[in-house]
Amino acid sequence: GAVVSQHPSWVICKSGTSVKIECRSLDFQATTMFWYRQFPKQSLMLMATSNEGSKATYEQGVEKDKFLINHASLTLSTLTVTSAHPEDSSFYICSAVSGVPSTDTQYFGPGTRLTVL
Amino acid sequence: SQQGEEDPQALSIQEGENATMNCSYKTSINNLQWYRQNSGRGLVHLILIRSNEREKHSGRLRVTLDTSKKSSSLLITASRAADTASYFCATRGSRLTFGEGTQLTVNP
Repeated sequence: GAVVSQHPSWVICKSGTSVKIECRSLDFQATTMFWYRQFPKQSLMLMATSNEGSKATYEQGVEKDKFLINHASLTLSTLTVTSAHPEDSSFYICSAVSGVPSTDTQYFGPGTRLTVL
Repeated sequence: SQQGEEDPQALSIQEGENATMNCSYKTSINNLQWYRQNSGRGLVHLILIRSNEREKHSGRLRVTLDTSKKSSSLLITASRAADTASYFCATRGSRLTFGEGTQLTVNP
C-alpha cells in the first residue's frame, strides 16, 4: 500500500516557540493532504484540508494563523504550530490521497507527538 | 459533529475467538473505511467498502455495510494477541469522519 511519512515522530518544545511537522507521500503523488489531531483515548479530529498549490481549508474552530499549512508540492505538506502553548500538546497525524478524495483510500502517516512545556 | 458511533467502546476476548465491532452513521456516504491504530501510533488502513457494496473480505477481516440501516460491522476471525489495538470506522461523505473507536484486547 501507499506510504506516508511524518517527521519528526516526536518533539518537545518550550511554550512560545514554533514547531514544523512534515508530511510526505513516499510512493505516490498526493493531490490532497489532511491534518488531524488526536487527544489521548479519543478519535481523530480533522483540522484542515490542503490541495497542492492552494490555500488550506480549515475546519471550524481551528485557528489558521496558529496552525499554518503549506502544501508546496504533490509529495510534501507541512504543519507549523506557531507560538505553541501547553494546550497544543497532542498527537498530530497527516494523511494523503492520490486520486479523488471522495472515493479513494486515504493513507495515514505514523503521527507526531508534540509536547509543549 | 462526529458521524460514526462505534459499539462496543471496548472489547476483550481470548485468542482464537472472533471479534465483532459495529459502526453506525447518520448521513449518506460514498464509502466507509476501517482503520487500526496501535497505541501511540498512526493509522493503518484495513479495508474500504463502497456504498454500493454489501460485504467485503480481506484475509481474516470481513466487513459488511447496510446503507438502509446506516451501519457497518467489522469481523476479525481467529483473533490473535497482535490484533490488540483500537479500531476506527470512518465514513466518507464530503470529508472522512471518524467514529470514537473500539478498543480491542485479545488475551493470549
